[in-house]
Amino acid sequence: DTGVSQDPRHKITKRGQNVTFRCDPISEHNRLYWYRQTLGQGPEFLTYFQNEAQLEKSRLLSDRFSAERPKGSFSTLEIQRTEQGDSAMYLCASSVGGHATDTQYFGPGTRLTVL
Amino acid sequence: ILNVEQSPQSLHVQEGDSTNFTCSFPSSNFYALHWYRWETAKSPEALFVMTLNGDEKKKGRISATLNTKEGYSYLYIKGSQPEDSATYLCAFMEYGNKLVFGAGTILRVKS
Repeated sequence: DTGVSQDPRHKITKRGQNVTFRCDPISEHNRLYWYRQTLGQGPEFLTYFQNEAQLEKSRLLSDRFSAERPKGSFSTLEIQRTEQGDSAMYLCASSVGGHATDTQYFGPGTRLTVL
Repeated sequence: ILNVEQSPQSLHVQEGDSTNFTCSFPSSNFYALHWYRWETAKSPEALFVMTLNGDEKKKGRISATLNTKEGYSYLYIKGSQPEDSATYLCAFMEYGNKLVFGAGTILRVKS
């Protein structure tokens, strides 16, 4: 399977704990995006990378969130000191480039539940 | 703040019915509109990327139209099948290639 993969698919954690998610994009895709979806809403943009450079972060991404793409391939999203409001589906997507017509291919998401 | 609206919120149809959904988006600074289908426990699947006013795209029984001047897109499904049951999302491509999604239309097709 050469699609976008995410790990883990589900994560249950206690409030205050740190969690880290991983995304493996489609090979040779330069752009990698993180989105978050909460119940009843569409996915919301969090941040994106062009190769290893993080080009933009949403105001939704508080100081407790950090994302990396160290070698321009896989990416990690870390949430420190989780809060119940962080419970959501975290989606990763990749695209070959940055044109408006470039399709963003999504992974299956990581569902985070903070107790 | 960009606002992308989808209607209806949910739809229940019988197998064989044809149906359509609406996506409304800002008509200024338009770059592209993307449609996705998202089945439970799967990855969102890209259906269409639309850029030109008047554009019409088709994939099997699914088609979409685009009106950038008035800011709306329609998605049509002809002869709905149970396997079409999913959430259909539209997303407005904002400057910088960020997708701004609507809340989606949940389609349930009964056999």
